[in-house]
Amino acid sequence: AQKITQTQPGMFVQEKEAVTLDCTYDTSDPSYGLFWYKQPSSGEMIFLIYQGSYDQQNATEGRYSLNFQKARKSANLVISASQLGDSAMYFCAMRERGNAGKSTFGDGTTLTVKP
Amino acid sequence: SQTIHQWPATLVQPVGSPLSLECTVEGTSNPNLYWYRQAAGRGLQLLFYSVGIGQISSEVPQNLSASRPQDRQFILSSKKLLLSDSGFYLCAWSLNRGAGTYEQYFGPGTRLTVT
Repeated sequence: AQKITQTQPGMFVQEKEAVTLDCTYDTSDPSYGLFWYKQPSSGEMIFLIYQGSYDQQNATEGRYSLNFQKARKSANLVISASQLGDSAMYFCAMRERGNAGKSTFGDGTTLTVKP
Repeated sequence: SQTIHQWPATLVQPVGSPLSLECTVEGTSNPNLYWYRQAAGRGLQLLFYSVGIGQISSEVPQNLSASRPQDRQFILSSKKLLLSDSGFYLCAWSLNRGAGTYEQYFGPGTRLTVT
């Protein structure tokens, strides 16, 4: 079974609006971390935000926030006030504590910000 | 601050030729190191990871191999390339402190085309 599912291959958002990128995950390990990365057309992978499975509050980093719903096993990324530079591919990833540090990545969502 | 280097940035190689991609990390000690491959428009596939010098774990059986001759050096190799080896190769590092769920930081990547 796929451990990370990103159901939106592509998303469009108007500049200055907020957008939510979906991510669901599957694990039986009680201790895990969830990550979001941004990949612009240049190819580099940029770490955006992290949520630990035991964190009580949703993670936030500037315009990025992670909507963590543990019971539903979802970890959606919310980008507020979208900018043209946010156009990129976004990947959700999970690392299970009992998995020797290995991460599993979803297939990604391509976000296009329209002016 | 930590920096991760990869070279070459792009590579075009004929089928059957050897391969050597190098990754080095600066500014940290005893990192976990990873090699990923990304097919066009897809997510990342973990190929190898290493928790220390000479310690390599392979995730996908194939004609590729990895070595870690020094603490902060990770090399991906092949004796004979296949067409299916084409892709974008990313090296990454993370902290290595027990079984923590730390984020990974990625290098700029190598775009390999096998002809």
